Amino acid sequence: EADIYQTPRYLVIGTGKKITLECSQTMGHDKMYWYQQDPGMELHLIHYSYGVNSTEKGDLSSESTVSRIRTEHFPLTLESARPSHTSQYLCASRAVPTGELFFGEGSRLTVL
Amino acid sequence: DQQVKQNSPSLSVQEGRISILNCDYTNSMFDYFLWYKKYPAEGPTFLISISSIKDKNEDGRFTVFLNKSAKHLSLHIVPSQPGDSAVYFCAASDSGTYKYIFGTGTRLKVLA
Repeated sequence: EADIYQTPRYLVIGTGKKITLECSQTMGHDKMYWYQQDPGMELHLIHYSYGVNSTEKGDLSSESTVSRIRTEHFPLTLESARPSHTSQYLCASRAVPTGELFFGEGSRLTVL
Repeated sequence: DQQVKQNSPSLSVQEGRISILNCDYTNSMFDYFLWYKKYPAEGPTFLISISSIKDKNEDGRFTVFLNKSAKHLSLHIVPSQPGDSAVYFCAASDSGTYKYIFGTGTRLKVLA
């Protein structure tokens, strides 16, 4: 069982609000990832990190930002939420040496 | 440009029979492939993986086959059980970038 946690699980907010989705893992994994998934669609990579102070943009353009100040923590922030940001956001970390991604339960965001 | 494709959006199988889920990829740099199972509003759960140096990997009821020349992999589930009903995603990564690209998923329904 992987130890990766996301909060909140569900969030409903109004347009223009700033939100931060939290992701923490206790496995000491260096590489972490954020994916965005709309219902019935594939998982799109929006951000990833190779380790502390490393952040990279993924293949899907996103208005969100991430930070990696500590190994175990990889939060995602939206400065001004819009209805187009409504989606499920999934955080993952990469196991070594097997290379599996372990996912959190996800955060479902609804912007009204 | 979709690098990982799952061309069957859905599949129905009788309980006890074999389920075969297929996945195609285009990037020859991919060297590690994974299968995940996902329920709605939850994070994906890792099932099985295969390195590009192998053509088969087996774990209990799950077997993954890799055909590098065809850039094709498949997941076999034998025997299928009603609890296997979920959306299955294949994913591919290359050890140079550590990025993981996911397919669009196949919804498997196992009929009792």
